[in-house]
Amino acid sequence: SQQGEEDPQALSIQEGENATMNCSYKTSINNLQWYRQNSGRGLVHLILIRSNEREKHSGRLRVTLDTSKKSSSLLITASRAADTASYFCATAYSGTYKYIFGTGTRLKVLA
Amino acid sequence: DVKVTQSSRYLVKRTGEKVFLECVQDMDHENMFWYRQDPGLGLRLIYFSYDVKMKEKGDIPEGYSVSREKKERFSLILESASTNQTSMYLCASSFGQGSRFYEQYFGPGTRLTVT
Repeated sequence: SQQGEEDPQALSIQEGENATMNCSYKTSINNLQWYRQNSGRGLVHLILIRSNEREKHSGRLRVTLDTSKKSSSLLITASRAADTASYFCATAYSGTYKYIFGTGTRLKVLA
Repeated sequence: DVKVTQSSRYLVKRTGEKVFLECVQDMDHENMFWYRQDPGLGLRLIYFSYDVKMKEKGDIPEGYSVSREKKERFSLILESASTNQTSMYLCASSFGQGSRFYEQYFGPGTRLTVT
């Protein structure tokens, strides 16, 4: 079963607005990662946050991790039409090689 | 740049055929993965390999097998293709030393249709 669950399933915003999507998980993790997938393509890694980190930035991306709530959020600031894609969180269990992906958030940025 | 390549972007096979999906990475990664992606179900792990000739079942291994004879190559085999194996197949690789995990690098995917 999928451990990471993204919320919302779909999000539609205007260009220039911020987009926030959330991910919840159930068990202890080593790290949490966010990926982007453009339609019909492979996934591209965006950012990795380790279990001992609380916040991380990369360009217009900001990721937070709350291990007490077992949740993470991805914020995309000043969104662009090119940000239109599906976004997935992936969790790496402690002590295993497996990654568990969520079902994704479909983001549509309207020009 | 890390590169993960998959042998085909699109593949059409008939029910009962044996199907080989090949994946090659050029970054000397220890770990390699095969996922399938279906609408509404996200990515599901089929098999992964953490070293040459080593493999472990993922969440949905039934109907699939894998082979890793060389570090850079990981093959997914559908022994007897069925229509419910129509899907997008994604290969990925990553470094992985002990319990420290790194980002995964994905190939472009193979869209397999079984008729």
